[in-house]
Amino acid sequence: QSALTQPASVSGSPGQSITISCTGTSSDIGTYNYVSWFQQHPGKAPKLMIYDVSKRPSGVSNRFSGSKSGNTASLTISGLQAEDEADYYCNSYTSSSTYVFGTGTKVTVL
Amino acid sequence: EVQLVESGGGLVKPGGSLRLSCAASGFTFSNAWMSWVRQAPGKGLEWVGRIKSKTDGGTTDYAAPVKGRFTISRDDSKNTLYLQMSSLKTEDTAVYYCSTFPYIWGQGTLVTVSS
Repeated sequence: QSALTQPASVSGSPGQSITISCTGTSSDIGTYNYVSWFQQHPGKAPKLMIYDVSKRPSGVSNRFSGSKSGNTASLTISGLQAEDEADYYCNSYTSSSTYVFGTGTKVTVL
Repeated sequence: EVQLVESGGGLVKPGGSLRLSCAASGFTFSNAWMSWVRQAPGKGLEWVGRIKSKTDGGTTDYAAPVKGRFTISRDDSKNTLYLQMSSLKTEDTAVYYCSTFPYIWGQGTLVTVSS
């Protein structure tokens, strides 16, 4: 199972919106609505930001939103803030009854 | 407070074995499907495997790179998850996280496989 494809880096200015894409196949994202997004700051454990494509856990800012179209999922961060600077990973359930992560995207706040 | 605490990491030689533990608290562990995820130094996240709750069959699934070498088990009486790793390779060097995937994560424990 190959890793899902994410852009290596995305940047934006404070207040702007950015979108991170996550491209898979019909064996994962294209078939299942079990797509999650994680934020990871250096030296810290991952934090769940979005699950089941577009659901937000309690305590996560509504500036974070998720969507899916075909084999591609997306994470949008609106009103970008300095604290959003981190690595972001997508994840999907697969037809092999396993999970696969994306390659990771480094978000930089200019 | 919901918490997962991993332990058991350390330095092991290639071909060796190691068992990681994950102590759970603050939630009904016996009902939870539990996963292990790892992250090699400077690299991305990699899903390792999962064990379902006993109510849901208690079965396990593993990622291809660890299948046949790693075994996930659980002791619901101790609220503890385990990862038994054998035939370890240098590429298994990573921080290992336990998780009620995708919701709750532990802080991780470092496993270094080196001669």
